[in-house]
Amino acid sequence: KQEVTQIPAALSVPEGENLVLNCSFTDSAIYNLQWFRQDPGKGLTSLLLIQSSQREQTSGRLNASLDKSSGRSTLYIAASQPGDSATYLCAVMWNKLVFGAGTILRVKS
Amino acid sequence: EAQVTQNPRYLITVTGKKLTVTCSQNMNHEYMSWYRQDPGLGLRQIYYSMNVEVTDKGDVPEGYKVSRKEKRNFPLILESPSPNQTSLYFCASSIREDGDSYIHPNTGELFFGEGSRLTVL
Repeated sequence: KQEVTQIPAALSVPEGENLVLNCSFTDSAIYNLQWFRQDPGKGLTSLLLIQSSQREQTSGRLNASLDKSSGRSTLYIAASQPGDSATYLCAVMWNKLVFGAGTILRVKS
Repeated sequence: EAQVTQNPRYLITVTGKKLTVTCSQNMNHEYMSWYRQDPGLGLRQIYYSMNVEVTDKGDVPEGYKVSRKEKRNFPLILESPSPNQTSLYFCASSIREDGDSYIHPNTGELFFGEGSRLTVL
């Protein structure tokens, strides 16, 4: 069964800390992997899309890596800010898109 | 501005009263999809469409219908809503990365609407 797992489920860090969110998936034959951010009561905003042929993508303070062989992706957030507080979702495209349950991030000022 | 627009954003209705949630995108995307998000269950796909007049079931299609008569619109229809359809609904769209293939929907970056919170009493 194709499943996506995100660890930790929740994370609280002080402002300025670098942090890593983890995503693991069960089947390495993926087309792509996408990280999203969701604010309470809002839609999902795409952060980074990594195609299966790529190893990482970067956007500003965000860096996402992909290791298909081990079934893992990490989202690295540098110098975290209170505005980064949100739920972060990982989604993997096989023959359909499967979402993880998300990591709730709180950055304390 | 590139966007996916859903309406209504909030709706309270009663069991059995047909309703439609509209979704429109202005990015000329081929791929569109509907999801529902429920506490503890995450995001689950209801239906998707790879192009005009091409739709297919997702993981939880029961009780829903869709149509794709135009590229920009992908309405979600609840013919006879029931309380278990109370949920937060999201529409999303994307380009397709796999050309004309209709075997699998390999999409690019997904753009989501703001969500429609539906309550069925």
